[in-house]
Amino acid sequence: SAVISQKPSRDICQRGTSLTIQCQVDSQVTMMFWYRQQPGQSLTLIATANQGSEATYESGFVIDKFPISRPNLTFSTLTVSNMSPEDSSIYLCSVLGPPANEKLFFGSGTQLSVL
Amino acid sequence: TQLLEQSPQFLSIQEGENLTVYCNSSSVFSSLQWYRQEPGEGPVLLVTVVTGGEVKKLKRLTFQFGDARKDSSLHITAAQTGDTGLYLCASDPRGGDKLIFGTGTRLQVFP
Repeated sequence: SAVISQKPSRDICQRGTSLTIQCQVDSQVTMMFWYRQQPGQSLTLIATANQGSEATYESGFVIDKFPISRPNLTFSTLTVSNMSPEDSSIYLCSVLGPPANEKLFFGSGTQLSVL
Repeated sequence: TQLLEQSPQFLSIQEGENLTVYCNSSSVFSSLQWYRQEPGEGPVLLVTVVTGGEVKKLKRLTFQFGDARKDSSLHITAAQTGDTGLYLCASDPRGGDKLIFGTGTRLQVFP
């Protein structure tokens, strides 16, 4: 299995500011994924972060709004830039875990509220 | 376009009752997964189904993959309060590693 630590667990931010969310994994993983979960909703994939290359964004998400870093095989960050109340969501990082890389492991998420 | 539609959206039942949750799509999937998410936590994988018609059992939970691999169901027998949570089906329509999640079924089991 993979253990994922995500920080912060929650934050309340002012509109127009940015927040960087950190995701630390206890083992080396190739693929990391960032999801958004809007209030009462399911999960929507934001982007895939692979070490050594630029993140791949899904339709509706852009790098300027959600820049992602992936400096090594155990760490990634997602920044939510120029926030507005519509960005209030839970943000989750996940990885494909060992042994067969066939299941996603998730962090506990970052509950973001934008005022 | 939502590729994975789940029904019902909400379900509120008493302990001991049975229930079935459905996951439907117009696309064919090579495999499908079911997750459960509890408040304040990330989703946790329950099962992966791969073969059309496949049935898997996990204690009181029974998962079925449709013959055409376009739909799946989750049946819970004698629900318990610990079953409360958000149930999500998920798959990658491209057959890769980028999971798309269904619309979700929020289950509340009362004592």
